[in-house]
Amino acid sequence: AQKVTQAQTEISVVEKEDVTLDCVYETRDTTYYLFWYKQPPSGELVFLIRRNSFDEQNEISGRYSWNFQKSTSSFNFTITASQVVDSAVYFCALSELDSNYQLIWGAGTKLIIKP
Amino acid sequence: AAGVIQSPRHLIKEKRETATLKCYPIPRHDTVYWYQQGPGQDPQFLISFYEKMQSDKGSIPDRFSAQQFSDYHSELNMSSLELGDSALYFCASSLKGGVYTEAFFGQGTRLTVV
Repeated sequence: AQKVTQAQTEISVVEKEDVTLDCVYETRDTTYYLFWYKQPPSGELVFLIRRNSFDEQNEISGRYSWNFQKSTSSFNFTITASQVVDSAVYFCALSELDSNYQLIWGAGTKLIIKP
Repeated sequence: AAGVIQSPRHLIKEKRETATLKCYPIPRHDTVYWYQQGPGQDPQFLISFYEKMQSDKGSIPDRFSAQQFSDYHSELNMSSLELGDSALYFCASSLKGGVYTEAFFGQGTRLTVV
């Protein structure tokens, strides 16, 4: 079974629209960590956020915000007022004791922002 | 701030040749991870080292080997290259405690096998 599910393979929006990328995870551990990484066309993996399982506070960083809900095992990522430079593949990942804390990646969501 | 440095950035090899990828972690980071990312795929964990000892092993082919040296840099050696080895290879580093600290990734080495 998929441990990290990013159901949206590709999303295309027009610039300035808000967009939410979904991430649903599965774990039996009580202590785990969730991550989002951005991979722009240039290929590098850019760390965006890490959240531990005991901290359900939502986080906002500029136009980026994250909604962590343990009740639904989701860690969704919202970009407000999207810009063309946000175009990238976004990966959600899980790190848990069961997997020796290796990163378990979702399949990624390709986000296309049209001007 | 210093980041994870990978070299070379691009590499073209022929089938059955060997390749060596290098990774220089962030200073004071003692853990190195190697990932392979095929086209359109998510990164796949290959192997990790902590304090120069192999700490975890993923889907690394037997044709590949890796080590971490006394200065904490790591090398991924790939022999008998196959077309399917063409991929982006990432190295990441973190402090002791593993990936649940921020794992910082290098820019990757794009290996093309022809």
